[in-house]
Amino acid sequence: GQQLNQSPQSMFIQEGEDVSMNCTSSSIFNTWLWYKQDPGEGPVLLIALYKAGELTSNGRLTAQFGITRKDSFLNISASIPSDVGIYFCAGQGTSGTYKYIFGTGTRLKVLA
Amino acid sequence: DGGITQSPKYLFRKEGQNVTLSCEQNLNHDAMYWYRQDPGQGLRLIYYSQIVNDFQKGDIAEGYSVSREKKESFPLTVTSAQKNPTAFYLCASSILRQEIGYTFGSGTRLTVV
Repeated sequence: GQQLNQSPQSMFIQEGEDVSMNCTSSSIFNTWLWYKQDPGEGPVLLIALYKAGELTSNGRLTAQFGITRKDSFLNISASIPSDVGIYFCAGQGTSGTYKYIFGTGTRLKVLA
Repeated sequence: DGGITQSPKYLFRKEGQNVTLSCEQNLNHDAMYWYRQDPGQGLRLIYYSQIVNDFQKGDIAEGYSVSREKKESFPLTVTSAQKNPTAFYLCASSILRQEIGYTFGSGTRLTVV
């Protein structure tokens, strides 16, 4: 089945650093979502994007819906230890099935 | 509070046994989904259901079965035909025709012993 390409696959950063990750697809999407999964838990929705070029913030998190509608970006500013986890992007296409396709995830580890 | 509940949190299965994972939601969501998560492989769709008494196979349905007899419930059975069942299983639900994404349960970790 189709999956989105998410990069980087994993990253170690120092507390206080900014983090960037992205998600790309060969298909056009109408909606992009970003989720965070804490260890041993289910993913929780962070940000939803609905229009090409849209830039949306949620606290220290900022996400953008790419102009081409084939990519999305998530930035985390001034990282803290509780940012550790796996970040997933998800896209909903134009086929009308209302299903989302998930990225492979970016595993973030923050060093205090 | 509304939510989606998966049980049990941890489950151990002997070789050759069938096991059933529970998923219940009180969000009045139309659709429900089952995903399998293995390290480094993201979320892979097993089955989904958009209406009671109807469900469709996802990308990795072999060795699994589901039922949707009630809107609130979508149990997943891992059969003995599933050769590598050890994984983290996630259930999700959503409203159809609204682009607000899925609500996930907290997962069930299944281990074959």
